[in-house]
Amino acid sequence: DAGVTQSPTHLIKTRGQQVTLRCSPKSGHDTVSWYQQALGQGPQFIFQYYEEEERQRGNFPDRFSGHQFPNYSSELNVNALLLGDSALYLCASKGTSGGAGKTQYFGPGTRLLVL
Amino acid sequence: AQSVAQPEDQVNVAEGNPLTVKCTYSVSGNPYLFWYVQYPNRGLQFLLKYITGDNLVKGSYGFEAEFNKSQTSFHLKKPSALVSDSALYFCAVRADTGGFKTIFGAGTRLFVKA
Repeated sequence: DAGVTQSPTHLIKTRGQQVTLRCSPKSGHDTVSWYQQALGQGPQFIFQYYEEEERQRGNFPDRFSGHQFPNYSSELNVNALLLGDSALYLCASKGTSGGAGKTQYFGPGTRLLVL
Repeated sequence: AQSVAQPEDQVNVAEGNPLTVKCTYSVSGNPYLFWYVQYPNRGLQFLLKYITGDNLVKGSYGFEAEFNKSQTSFHLKKPSALVSDSALYFCAVRADTGGFKTIFGAGTRLFVKA
């Protein structure tokens, strides 16, 4: 059973460019969340997708957008990249059936470096 | 607003000794509490969670955590540390009041010395 997968593993971009990161959830999971983890910090919630819609958003600007596909996979798009966007981007998935407090399972992350 | 505090940036312990990694939280409503571990250049691995029921929760790799509602704490513990436990540990909280956002602490680096 494959866990959460993310691509690419590493990415280098320059300021002002746009980037797309991809995530496939764990089998049986239908909810995907994205987190940004800057160096030396804990993960910060960007947003969560369920049924192809953004369900909740953290304190991130509109430059950060996402999408969820019918197969539950997801993309994170960041426009007009800034140096401060350099971070590890983590995708997490969980199911919604069976009640509250479901565990999120994380992918290995995509490390983005903006020069 | 939800928040998580991990008051120690680093915890040092000798192999074979008990370890404790501290976590306190603030949330409106009842908390769902989680511990994750992160190894270098890796994503987060789930260790254990508290949803409801017994205050002492047992998880993976011999770890356990105790939920204390009066002190709003959820400290991670292990009776006997291993060198391989050396990693970065994150405490996280989510409210049961309908929000979907999980808030993470800043992390505590655990060093276990042989």
